[in-house]
Amino acid sequence: ETGVTQSPTHLIKTRGQQVTLRCSSQSGHNTVSWYQQALGQGPQFIFQYYREEENGRGNFPPRFSGLQFPNYSSELNVNALELDDSALYLCASRPTFDTEAFFGQGTRLTVV
Amino acid sequence: AQRVTQPEKLLSVFKGAPVELKCNYSYSGSPELFWYVQYSRQRLQLLLRHISRESIKGFTADLNKGETSFHLKKPFAQEEDSAMYYCALYSNYQLIWGAGTKLIIKP
Repeated sequence: ETGVTQSPTHLIKTRGQQVTLRCSSQSGHNTVSWYQQALGQGPQFIFQYYREEENGRGNFPPRFSGLQFPNYSSELNVNALELDDSALYLCASRPTFDTEAFFGQGTRLTVV
Repeated sequence: AQRVTQPEKLLSVFKGAPVELKCNYSYSGSPELFWYVQYSRQRLQLLLRHISRESIKGFTADLNKGETSFHLKKPFAQEEDSAMYYCALYSNYQLIWGAGTKLIIKP
């Protein structure tokens, strides 16, 4: 068991709403990344947090935002949901000086 | 642009046959490459990484810089190898992923 947990596992939202997805990183991992995985595709990098600050961002609009807390938990917030935001959202944590990522089981978001 | 390509969406082989899952990358510099696997109803997990040069569950992958490839191989497939396999490249804080190959091992 990797120790990375995400909640909720499934979520249905209406277009235009806001959503918060949560992740609890593995203990000692102070770097967390979020990925979006659309059906039939590989994951796409959204952003990374290190010591509570965003230090890397993929090609996602500002309505995708995040937070990281001192207790190894983090959040992904998406505002003004669009139908295309429907996807599996993955959280991955890792130690600072290693590139091996440990993944949560994902949150399946459906926007209707 | 940095990119990872897995040309096969689906690969189906018989148990005991050799398996090769293809991965090609585009990257300037020395790449750091990974193979991740996702078994049914389980989370993504690291299978192997090129810097460790290990063999995990009988799988090996060799980085070929000339051909910009990192193909995953196993000489004798087992039914428990059926899963989704992703090749990924680490660059600028992120993993860049291929679209994945679904491997089915037929009995």
